[in-house]
Amino acid sequence: GENVEQHPSTLSVQEGDSAVIKCTYSDSASNYFPWYKQELGKGPQLIIDIRSNVGEKKDQRIAVTLNKTAKHFSLHITETQPEDSAVYFCAASKGDYKLSFGAGTTVTVRA
Amino acid sequence: DSGVTQTPKHLITATGQRVTLRCSPRSGDLSVYWYQQSLDQGLQFLIHYYNGEERAKGNILERFSAQQFPDLHSELNLSSLELGDSALYFCASSPRDRAITEAFFGQGTRLTVV
Repeated sequence: GENVEQHPSTLSVQEGDSAVIKCTYSDSASNYFPWYKQELGKGPQLIIDIRSNVGEKKDQRIAVTLNKTAKHFSLHITETQPEDSAVYFCAASKGDYKLSFGAGTTVTVRA
Repeated sequence: DSGVTQTPKHLITATGQRVTLRCSPRSGDLSVYWYQQSLDQGLQFLIHYYNGEERAKGNILERFSAQQFPDLHSELNLSSLELGDSALYFCASSPRDRAITEAFFGQGTRLTVV
């Protein structure tokens, strides 16, 4: 089955700096790569996603890049703000019913 | 608010007991997906239902079962509970079958087995 690895497990950044989280996946048939933000006591919230026919996608301060050949994808958050502090999960899917999640990255934005 | 409602939010029970977790999907959504989030296994897919029918199974233990009712709400039944079943249980819903790309997650039920 699909195996998704996520790094780093924790990330502390100064407010205003950028944060980068990287994930690798194993199943070349995966074609959908979402990123979720989970705040304390809440469920995973989709923040951005990318499909395998696209190399990069941006939404305001958030961007995701995908390298299908190397089987890795990354989340970039620019101009970080305190409200960006949360746990972030990457996932990979064939777009059907199952998401294979990474282990998560705890991001702390220092004021 | 994702529109997916899970009850109860917290549940504490003893080993060996049985519990039922409930999920009400977003209005109009026919698919429900159950996921378990534990400290050692992370977020894992359990089971998927579409319009009352089981469509896919993941790493769901035999002690666990689920169903989706005619009004489209779903229940996850966990029996003979063990300490290791303590976890957050999430459901997600989407309008179509096998369409996790369109799914929204609920806020979860935190199960503590003591």
